[in-house]
Amino acid sequence: SQQGEEDPQALSIQEGENATMNCSYKTSINNLQWYRQNSGRGLVHLILIRSNEREKHSGRLRVTLDTSKKSSSLLITASRAADTASYFCATDDNAGNMLTFGGGTRLMVKP
Amino acid sequence: ETGVTQSPTHLIKTRGQQVTLRCSSQSGHNTVSWYQQALGQGPQFIFQYYREEENGRGNFPPRFSGLQFPNYSSELNVNALELDDSALYLCASSSQGGKTEAFFGQGTRLTVV
Repeated sequence: SQQGEEDPQALSIQEGENATMNCSYKTSINNLQWYRQNSGRGLVHLILIRSNEREKHSGRLRVTLDTSKKSSSLLITASRAADTASYFCATDDNAGNMLTFGGGTRLMVKP
Repeated sequence: ETGVTQSPTHLIKTRGQQVTLRCSSQSGHNTVSWYQQALGQGPQFIFQYYREEENGRGNFPPRFSGLQFPNYSSELNVNALELDDSALYLCASSSQGGKTEAFFGQGTRLTVV
């Protein structure tokens, strides 16, 4: 079963705009990771945020984590056509031996 | 480029057959996890191997089995293939039994006919 739920399921924006994706989860976590996937290929690791962190930046990516609401958001600023992909959040269990993924947000960035 | 390699990239098998998928982990990583991703869905955890031992298993039947070798590479074996086993199989490499970032290979696309 999926622990995380991404919202929205699909997002279409123009190049240069910002894209925000949200993720909710159900149980306590050690960390939350965001991944990108292009056209059914492998997952590319974007960023990991630990449960004691509230915000993290990496280039054009900004991730927030609210453990009281069991939610996270991924913001991509100044989007590019190359950002077109599916984005997944994944949470670990306390044992750290499995990641639970949501269903993903399919982002389309139009040139 | 994550340094995690999977083989083969594509595979077509007949229902009832057996299949073996392979994964080479990233240098310095001792943990390999396997995931199944059906079309349009997020990956589902199959199992994890840490230092050659199974270290957690998802909700998959026993016909899904695995191995990890001393060099930390891994195999996923699926017996008695069913049509619903058609999916992208992803291998993830990490360290410390999965408590760090997990890096994925490009996957093996399995089609069961």
